[in-house]
Amino acid sequence: GENVGLHLPTLSVQEGDNSIINCAYSNSASDYFIWYKQESGKGPQFIIDIRSNMDKRQGQRVTVLLNKTVKHLSLQIAATQPGDSAVYFCAENKAGAGGTSYGKLTFGQGTILTVHP
Amino acid sequence: DTGVSQNPRHKITKRGQNVTFRCDPISEHNRLYWYRQTLGQGPEFLTYFQNEAQLEKSRLLSDRFSAERPKGSFSTLEIQRTEQGDSAMYLCASSLVLGVNEQFFGPGTRLTVL
Repeated sequence: GENVGLHLPTLSVQEGDNSIINCAYSNSASDYFIWYKQESGKGPQFIIDIRSNMDKRQGQRVTVLLNKTVKHLSLQIAATQPGDSAVYFCAENKAGAGGTSYGKLTFGQGTILTVHP
Repeated sequence: DTGVSQNPRHKITKRGQNVTFRCDPISEHNRLYWYRQTLGQGPEFLTYFQNEAQLEKSRLLSDRFSAERPKGSFSTLEIQRTEQGDSAMYLCASSLVLGVNEQFFGPGTRLTVL
């Protein structure tokens, strides 16, 4: 119902643990995916992205996995720190013609990550 | 700080009043986007510009909403005859046209309609 969006999935971990945040995307035509981190009172902050021709991409302490068969994305955060506490959103996009990017991002629901010291 | 700025950061208004928000994107970015975010939800796309041209508008953007980017730099989003349902965070983002669509978001304008 209309209140589903207020009950975000939550993940609570201890400092130093690894975290895995999952996301299901909706558009099989999407070919570019991004993870954003949003802290309270701030705009979303880019973490890592992946194109649909890849199934894994690694950054600093973060890894994104893409499974196009089941339209699933995951974000893995290694050695989670209290500063990682935030809401995490996945977003999908579709490339435009001629190397341009398509306009809008479509965001998923979000997951609240809480890291306990 | 991503380099995208928005003003004001907070706006409280009474129902029926008009409000206008401003976004200044990263200077070399030719695309500018507006999103709306309500509590517990991800940002929802409203509209975007490439330079001065408004290329797409969401069905969420009723005729009370208008956005402009007159010189291809800053943009304004105006809401006329505000309603309580307009209360939300209004986010602006900017990006380049070519290559991946990494959109950099501003801090948002929090609108409260009483």
